[in-house]
Amino acid sequence: QVQLQESGPGLVKPSQTLSLTCTVSGDPISSGDHYWSWIRQPPGKRLEWIGYISYRGMTFYNPSLKSRLTLSVDTSKNQFSLNLTSVTAADTAVYFCARARSASPYFYFYYMDVWGKGTAVTVSS
Amino acid sequence: EIVMTQSPATLSVSPGERATLSCRASQSVSNNLAWYQQIPGQAPRLLIYGASTRATGIPARFSGSGSGTEFTLTITSLQSEDFALYYCQQYNTWPLPAFGQGTKVEIK
Repeated sequence: QVQLQESGPGLVKPSQTLSLTCTVSGDPISSGDHYWSWIRQPPGKRLEWIGYISYRGMTFYNPSLKSRLTLSVDTSKNQFSLNLTSVTAADTAVYFCARARSASPYFYFYYMDVWGKGTAVTVSS
Repeated sequence: EIVMTQSPATLSVSPGERATLSCRASQSVSNNLAWYQQIPGQAPRLLIYGASTRATGIPARFSGSGSGTEFTLTITSLQSEDFALYYCQQYNTWPLPAFGQGTKVEIK
């Protein structure tokens, strides 16, 4: 059974970089036609997709975050990571990692079939 | 950008009764629609994908229907563990999925 676990600091100062890691257990991150994703949920708001990364390192970013965002993958550790620079209070959220599974062999239709529990991040001085 | 709208925001239901949750897309998403359950402090759980296909291990009391812009999640005979938040998500537009704002199912 695949499990995902987010880790990282719960408090980040404004203008600094938020770094989170998602550790995947139960299956190699390189198996299957999956993308690995980050999603966040600011307090009182809906879930917001952040980005995808494949095990080969192909990335897709939310345009609203693209200028500040870097996703990376480490297959040797079965982990993928998020770096978000120049954070502000608007980046305060619960951050989830998830596996995106393909719904079609012909088209790019991916839904999130396994999620981590999420980690709360507060941006504050 | 596709906007997903869920209704109602809160649904009060008695245990054993049926709950019907709605999700509307601002434009057609075909059947590329998923439903998730979220219990605070737990990982969100995939319930339905392809608008109507139950995910592995999901009880038969959960069913999804719809296509295009109108979708429904029905939970028949609500159990205590079903009182939670429910989100719909469209994945028709790669790579930009979009989530609804959620429906809270609470005990009446």
